[in-house]
Amino acid sequence: EVQLVESGGGLVQPGRSLRLSCTGSGFTFGDFGEYGISWFRQAPGKGLEWLGFIRSKANGGTTENAASVKDRFTISRDDSKSIAYVQMNSLKIEDTAIYYCTRVQVLKFGVPHWDYYYMDVWGKGTTVTVSS
Amino acid sequence: DIVMTQSPISLPVSPGEPASISCRSSQSLLHGNGYNYLDWYLQKPGQSPQLLIYLGSNRASGVPDRFSGSGSGTDFTLKISRVEAEDVGVYYCMQALHTPPFTFGPGTKVDIK
Repeated sequence: EVQLVESGGGLVQPGRSLRLSCTGSGFTFGDFGEYGISWFRQAPGKGLEWLGFIRSKANGGTTENAASVKDRFTISRDDSKSIAYVQMNSLKIEDTAIYYCTRVQVLKFGVPHWDYYYMDVWGKGTTVTVSS
Repeated sequence: DIVMTQSPISLPVSPGEPASISCRSSQSLLHGNGYNYLDWYLQKPGQSPQLLIYLGSNRASGVPDRFSGSGSGTDFTLKISRVEAEDVGVYYCMQALHTPPFTFGPGTKVDIK
C-alpha cells in the first residue's frame, strides 16, 4: 500500500523556520521519484489550501508555488531517501494549520500545457502551530 | 485566481437516499482537449482528504460506483446514488486547469439525518 507520512510539525514562534518532511513507502508501481509531490494545508476549522508542488525529475523536477507563500516556502525532494520537503521561513500566526503532502498523478495528452495533475494519495498530515 | 463555489454548504441525508452537491467555477474548466479539469475529494471526520473523482467524471480506484461526477464548463455535480453512513464528511471540488494555484470550493458537509 502506498503511504505518505508527514513529519516535522510542532510549535514554533512567529518569524522562525520549520522544515516538514514527507516520506513515501509502498510504491509498488514505479518508485517515489517517478511522482510529483504536492503540499496542502488546512487551518483550524477551514478548508483546503494548495501550497505548491514539485514535479518528478523525469518531468523536470521543477516547482510551482502558491503566491501566498511563494517567498517563504520552498519545496524540494531527495528521491534517494523517498522524501520531499517544504522549508517554511518567516512563519506567521496564520500559517497555523495541518499540513498534508500528496502524491501527484499526471495524465499527459501529448502537449505539456495539457498535463492534468490530480492528488491520488494523501498523508495523514502534521500539525504546525505558530504562536509566541 | 479561479473562484470555486459549492452548494449546499450543509446536506443532511437519510441513509439509502440520494444526495447531490453542486460546484461552480468562475471560469470554464473545459480544456481544449475535451476534458474538464475538476476533481472531487472527500474528507471524512478526523481524516485527511481522499480522491473520489478526477477529470470531472472518472472514479478513483476503489471508489464505490454509487459516486458519480458530471457536468462541464463551469457547472459540476457530484451525486451519491444511495448514501451510506460511511459517506459522511466534507466534500470539496478542486479545479486543476487554471493553475497555479489549484483552488478548492469551500466544501459541503454531508451528515446523516
